[in-house]
Amino acid sequence: NAGVMQNPRHLVRRRGQEARLRCSPMKGHSHVYWYRQLPEEGLKFMVYLQKENIIDESGMPKERFSAEFPKEGPSILRIQQVVRGDSAAYFCASSPRQGEGYTFGSGTRLTVV
Amino acid sequence: TQLLEQSPQFLSIQEGENLTVYCNSSSVFSSLQWYRQEPGEGPVLLVTVVTGGEVKKLKRLTFQFGDARKDSSLHITAAQPGDTGLYLCAGVLGDSSYKLIFGSGTRLLVRP
Repeated sequence: NAGVMQNPRHLVRRRGQEARLRCSPMKGHSHVYWYRQLPEEGLKFMVYLQKENIIDESGMPKERFSAEFPKEGPSILRIQQVVRGDSAAYFCASSPRQGEGYTFGSGTRLTVV
Repeated sequence: TQLLEQSPQFLSIQEGENLTVYCNSSSVFSSLQWYRQEPGEGPVLLVTVVTGGEVKKLKRLTFQFGDARKDSSLHITAAQPGDTGLYLCAGVLGDSSYKLIFGSGTRLLVRP
């Protein structure tokens, strides 16, 4: 297992389009976290999921953003009707237990034009 | 306002020099982590400190957690160009063990 896999690495969307970001956690990790990083800033928590469950979405905007972690397949962060302010690096992390042993992926850099 | 303040924001030093970066808060954290992030990559965990006053060493890097668990420092001895990167501290508040609260980072450049 090469670690937490995120794709695509780079994503360009026009305003109003949808962005889908994928994250495959490390093998054996059932806890997934999404963070957003704006230029020259630290990461901000968005959402925490376990398989088929959203545990905490307090950091995710209530409109246009959604996340899922289905029983089979990767976790998906979906942003509908993107705006320029959504441009950022989105990082996924996974862990084997809640809050322990975080491993981050390389991120998806979303650019909205 | 940032819950975790890191200083300095930028640091440019010559190879072989020592440096310290700081991570400060008015909040008490149950644990604190330090990460290094290189351009185009995700953060990589360097260390986790849990106990107030704890000191951990990782080769030339020394991490300290304040006695009151509100602050931390990272000291690098004899810095090398390979140490160049963005150093992030991230704290965990007691009521949500999974949510990392990141500082805005210290960008370090070590010149050969």
